[in-house]
Amino acid sequence: GAGVSQSPSNKVTEKGKDVELRCDPISGHTALYWYRQSLGQGLEFLIYFQGNSAPDKSGLPSDRFSAERTGGSVSTLTIQRTQQEDSAVYLCAIPRGAGYNEQFFGPGTRLTVL
Amino acid sequence: EDKVVQSPLSLVVHEGDTVTLNCSYEVTNFRSLLWYKQEKKAPTFLFMLTSSGIEKKSGRLSSILDKKELSSILNITATQTGDSAIYLCAVETNRDDKIIFGKGTRLHILP
Repeated sequence: GAGVSQSPSNKVTEKGKDVELRCDPISGHTALYWYRQSLGQGLEFLIYFQGNSAPDKSGLPSDRFSAERTGGSVSTLTIQRTQQEDSAVYLCAIPRGAGYNEQFFGPGTRLTVL
Repeated sequence: EDKVVQSPLSLVVHEGDTVTLNCSYEVTNFRSLLWYKQEKKAPTFLFMLTSSGIEKKSGRLSSILDKKELSSILNITATQTGDSAIYLCAVETNRDDKIIFGKGTRLHILP
């Protein structure tokens, strides 16, 4: 959507490799979320950034996952030593803007771990 | 602990049927409830319901918020195969813009 971009759109990697996923929201949003959706699963919360507060990392499934947000804008989600169960669509999201129908989610990155 | 529960988890109906999807929530500092449709990767926004806008309608889709029962329903009438998707319910709170998602209802429309 126009409010959030993500890259890459698709990523295929081999088991054991590290991957980095990027989220680039429009400026002015202090809050940012990462979610993932695995095949047949609901949306799973991963991590939440809010301004300068410590991020809420309660959803990260293991210590192989980490995320950072530099300068309050771009965020990267890093998965180290990827496993096949990490295969999913990773979504970045920001709270809606002035118009309630402003797109909330980025287009997602589809990660496939072989 | 804040939570959003959707039911059923999955639903299979025939084209032309009417379906009702349910969402219940327990959150502090409720602000709004949102419905999304997810077909491929990113969910697309359907409705937002608040205390001042408890009923919304768009074409064959409609939604109602029951603040007393802490729940919402999403109705789809005269279903079409293109309605097949996962329907997500989410609740926004006034606490740090936090949003909590339900697990979704997977709807499959048979031709």
